[in-house]
Amino acid sequence: DQQVKQNSPSLSVQEGRISILNCDYTNSMFDYFLWYKKYPAEGPTFLISISSIKDKNEDGRFTVFLNKSAKHLSLHIVPSQPGDSAVYFCAASAIETSGSRLTFGEGTQLTVNP
Amino acid sequence: GAGVSQTPSNKVTEKGKYVELRCDPISGHTALYWYRQSLGQGPEFLIYFQGTGAADDSGLPNDRFFAVRPEGSVSTLKIQRTERGDSAVYLCASSAYGTRSTDTQYFGPGTRLTVL
Repeated sequence: DQQVKQNSPSLSVQEGRISILNCDYTNSMFDYFLWYKKYPAEGPTFLISISSIKDKNEDGRFTVFLNKSAKHLSLHIVPSQPGDSAVYFCAASAIETSGSRLTFGEGTQLTVNP
Repeated sequence: GAGVSQTPSNKVTEKGKYVELRCDPISGHTALYWYRQSLGQGPEFLIYFQGTGAADDSGLPNDRFFAVRPEGSVSTLKIQRTERGDSAVYLCASSAYGTRSTDTQYFGPGTRLTVL
């Protein structure tokens, strides 16, 4: 079963506008959530994370929102830049039940057009 | 400092052959992970080492897959009797401790395995 889902395989936005990437999860034991960015032929790079005790975490142009009741998180990128074009993966972990292993979504290809 | 490195970057083999994939984690990182990413999917967990021991190998798909980390740093993922379905990018990651959710995992560039 897919415990972490990213329902949008792709997203295209104009440079300078906001990019919103969404992620849903089903496992209520997940207590830590992360976003990774991946360029072709490279490994995923950590972007931002949020603990389940928070509902928002911000780092520069990147903000992650967590809605525990809806089991939903989103990544906002403002303003979007062409260099942000990459595949974005949502990931989750549940340290008490499954240690440090990460469960990933399928990814969303973000394209930022100049 | 150096990040996680993986060799080879590409490996082409024939069905039924044996392959070894190597991972050099970030120096001093206690925890090491292997993931597999198939086309169009996110990475899937295979195995996690805490030091030299496999703390969680529940993601290994079957007994053809085996991994070792004899000295607590470099790890080798071994696949016996390869099948076409094993074709994927094999990713290695390391983290400083591995015992906390907040411990960031740093990924290598991956090894692309193609089984003909």
